[in-house]
Amino acid sequence: GAGVSQSPSNKVTEKGKDVELRCDPISGHTALYWYRQSLGQGLEFLIYFQGNSAPDKSGLPSDRFSAERTGGSVSTLTIQRTQQEDSAVYLCASSFYGDSQTQYFGPGTRLLVL
Amino acid sequence: QQQVKQSPQSLIVQKGGISIINCAYENTAFDYFPWYQQFPGKGPALLIAIRPDVSEKKEGRFTISFNKSAKQFSLHIMDSQPGDSATYFCAARVQGAQKLVFGQGTRLTINP
Repeated sequence: GAGVSQSPSNKVTEKGKDVELRCDPISGHTALYWYRQSLGQGLEFLIYFQGNSAPDKSGLPSDRFSAERTGGSVSTLTIQRTQQEDSAVYLCASSFYGDSQTQYFGPGTRLLVL
Repeated sequence: QQQVKQSPQSLIVQKGGISIINCAYENTAFDYFPWYQQFPGKGPALLIAIRPDVSEKKEGRFTISFNKSAKQFSLHIMDSQPGDSATYFCAARVQGAQKLVFGQGTRLTINP
């Protein structure tokens, strides 16, 4: 079946602009995660959604970052007033509820802030 | 402290050799330890995982060794092949939570 898809695959923006990154999880997966992967670094947890429960936003680095998940499926990560340090690969993953050890990752969106 | 420290950062192994990647943690509230494999341009994919009540798990050429008292775990790749060249991440799941804490990654290169 189809895996996790993310769009765009690449995004170049100017400092100060807002960007929106999209994630389509695997059908049937109620859990959705966003991570950030900076060059040479591991994956940094950003936010977790599960069904209609309040999201775990504990990893969001600043209030410029926000995310929503509409209809329990597609998710959008928004970065406002982008900074150069926001440049990274943003990865989305999904899983069945309670199976967070088995996350399926999308290919990521490579964001470059000039 | 919810951190997982991974070493080495990069590793070069000859074809047929054994690749070993190590991870250490401090938080005893981790309840699951997966390893993910990432090829360039792709997202990470689950490779193998272990629970802390098991000391070793083997799947084909891949083995996780887990030392609970030392708070360390490692990935061993036997008979390493060029196709194993990738970045490997260890991770740990926070007990009662639904998020993974990842190590910094190891870029593995297998020379033919």
